[in-house]
Amino acid sequence: GAGVSQSPSNKVTEKGKDVELRCDPISGHTALYWYRQSLGQGLEFLIYFQGNSAPDKSGLPSDRFSAERTGGSVSTLTIQRTQQEDSAVYLCASSLEAAPNYGYTFGSGTRLTVV
Amino acid sequence: AQTVTQSQPEMSVQEAETVTLSCTYDTSENNYYLFWYKQPPSRQMILVIRQEAYKQQNATENRFSVNFQKAAKSFSLKISDSQLGDTAMYFCAFKAAGNKLTFGGGTRVLVKP
Repeated sequence: GAGVSQSPSNKVTEKGKDVELRCDPISGHTALYWYRQSLGQGLEFLIYFQGNSAPDKSGLPSDRFSAERTGGSVSTLTIQRTQQEDSAVYLCASSLEAAPNYGYTFGSGTRLTVV
Repeated sequence: AQTVTQSQPEMSVQEAETVTLSCTYDTSENNYYLFWYKQPPSRQMILVIRQEAYKQQNATENRFSVNFQKAAKSFSLKISDSQLGDTAMYFCAFKAAGNKLTFGGGTRVLVKP
């Protein structure tokens, strides 16, 4: 597609429920990233997929968080047993690693609210 | 590990004036890239300007320019002729080749009419 698409745009869930957040990157972009942005804060790295390599999961805050990328395209970030501190905007980005100087293209994010 | 520091949480500027945002970073890499992103209330992260570390010439994009001081590991952003639409959060970011983007904590810019 023309840009990075994320869904849903907003999600309200009850504490303890599982949620899935979806990211559809730009076609042909080999790298995909998930970041978390708490209210008024900077971007916290979560996970990074590059082609067929094993993902860099070093930013995942706990084992309740997981992500997968199917067919080298769409990615799903799953948060199990959500907690109130999981409330944040989750941003997805993609890039063409062959051109690292071009930075990333971001989606508009999913605002997750855990009540 | 790389770190990026933005020491100004918030800046305000009168419309048509100039504002400079500071950014410093720490790395042992020699080949890397630096970026400034703008995040308006819509949440969309927009790339404002980029700089390759091996280029000595400072990047410029219309009203936006940077002052890149490699030895000092400093990468400031200057917004000239500020416009109301420039009101946003601005994030400095660092990327070494083959690595992920690391962001600073952001600076909120408010342009006053």
